Amino acid sequence: DAGVTQSPTHLIKTRGQHVTLRCSPISGHKSVSWYQQVLGQGPQFIFQYYEKEERGRGNFPDRFSARQFPNYSSELNVNALLLGDSALYLCASSPSGPNTGELFFGEGSRLTVL
Amino acid sequence: QKEVEQNSGPLSVPEGAIASLNCTYSDRGSQSFFWYRQYSGKSPELIMSIYSNGDKEDGRFTAQLNKASQYVSLLIRDSQPSDSATYLCAVNKNNYGQNFVFGPGTRLSVLP
Repeated sequence: DAGVTQSPTHLIKTRGQHVTLRCSPISGHKSVSWYQQVLGQGPQFIFQYYEKEERGRGNFPDRFSARQFPNYSSELNVNALLLGDSALYLCASSPSGPNTGELFFGEGSRLTVL
Repeated sequence: QKEVEQNSGPLSVPEGAIASLNCTYSDRGSQSFFWYRQYSGKSPELIMSIYSNGDKEDGRFTAQLNKASQYVSLLIRDSQPSDSATYLCAVNKNNYGQNFVFGPGTRLSVLP
């Protein structure tokens, strides 16, 4: 079975640009979450969606937005990129209900902002 | 006080020894606890989940939870060089959704 898939795997942007990251969850998983991981730190929660409804938002500015589609795939959008947005962006899906269960991570999208 | 704390390491153990990784959390209402392994340049991989006080064993791994003391630990028996990685402790602090708070991770080095 395919795991969580993310695209693109690597990308380079310049300050002020916009980026869209995409994620397909494991088949049958209805919950998708996004995390940001800066080098040397643990992942930090950005968003969770369950059945297309936002279930949680982390402490990130409004430049960050996300949505979930009817097929449960998801997009993370970041506007007006800053140097500090350079990080590994992880998507995770969960087989359980909205507030229980384990997270299974994709390989991530590594964003570099120049 | 940080929400989830771990010793950053590195923790070095000889091959075949027991590696003990510890984690403390601040939110007493937390209900779900997880250990992830992350190899350099890779994404986190789930090792164990634990929800109730006590021990949970899976192969060479044992997770221990003590909610009264607000700590979670992971024991790795018969450590192998392939266990060398960063181990992340995570706590789900959101009863409405899944808001995993991760610790900074402990870097484990198993020496052959």
